[in-house]
Amino acid sequence: EIVLTQSPGTLSLSPGERATLSCRASQSVSSSYLAWYQQKPGQAPRLLIYGASSRATGIPDRFSGSGSGTDFTLTISRLEPEDFAVYYCQQYGSSPPTYTFGQGTKLEIK
Amino acid sequence: QVQLVQSGAEVKKPGASVKVSCKASGYTFTGYYMHWVRQAPGQGLEWMGWINPNSGGTNYAQKFQGWVTMTRDTSISTAYMELSRLRSDDTAVYYCARVAEYSGYDFVYWGQGTLVTVSS
Repeated sequence: EIVLTQSPGTLSLSPGERATLSCRASQSVSSSYLAWYQQKPGQAPRLLIYGASSRATGIPDRFSGSGSGTDFTLTISRLEPEDFAVYYCQQYGSSPPTYTFGQGTKLEIK
Repeated sequence: QVQLVQSGAEVKKPGASVKVSCKASGYTFTGYYMHWVRQAPGQGLEWMGWINPNSGGTNYAQKFQGWVTMTRDTSISTAYMELSRLRSDDTAVYYCARVAEYSGYDFVYWGQGTLVTVSS
């Protein structure tokens, strides 16, 4: 089973700064199967990025995803106050069919 | 618009079972697998498995095999997740989720979550 490791665990930044979140897989992951979510307290997760680099509907263009193989990155170009939340990466594995989440990165206001 | 509406919070004793429902609307219920994901307090997301509402076929994460049962009632567009032999560490918010139309691998639609508390 593929394990996703996110870093850092907590990222402290100020509004207007650039955020770079990492997701490393224990084995190679197809880019088509890598997604990123944002979760705020008391809310369900919200899909941000799918296929490693495609923004989901309605997601601002300050969010971008990149990477391939075992290393993936979510970048928020210029932090807005509403971006402070927990972020999860997630992958789909086909043999057997399973879905795995990373442990999350908490993005907090500095 | 797609909506997933879950049943309300539950409090259960250790060893009991809980059954959470997820009513779907805004799309053809039998056209998309329904997934279940749980989140313990202050913890990350854990995928539990899916049910194919068309056939009733299921695929459970290995951790939950023999312990979780996913069913559906197509007449009312509702999926169910039953977890048996509850323990205190099953206390969590349980979400149903559906993948996007454009890919089968990303959860774009989520229920509001159902808090299950296991306590003696």
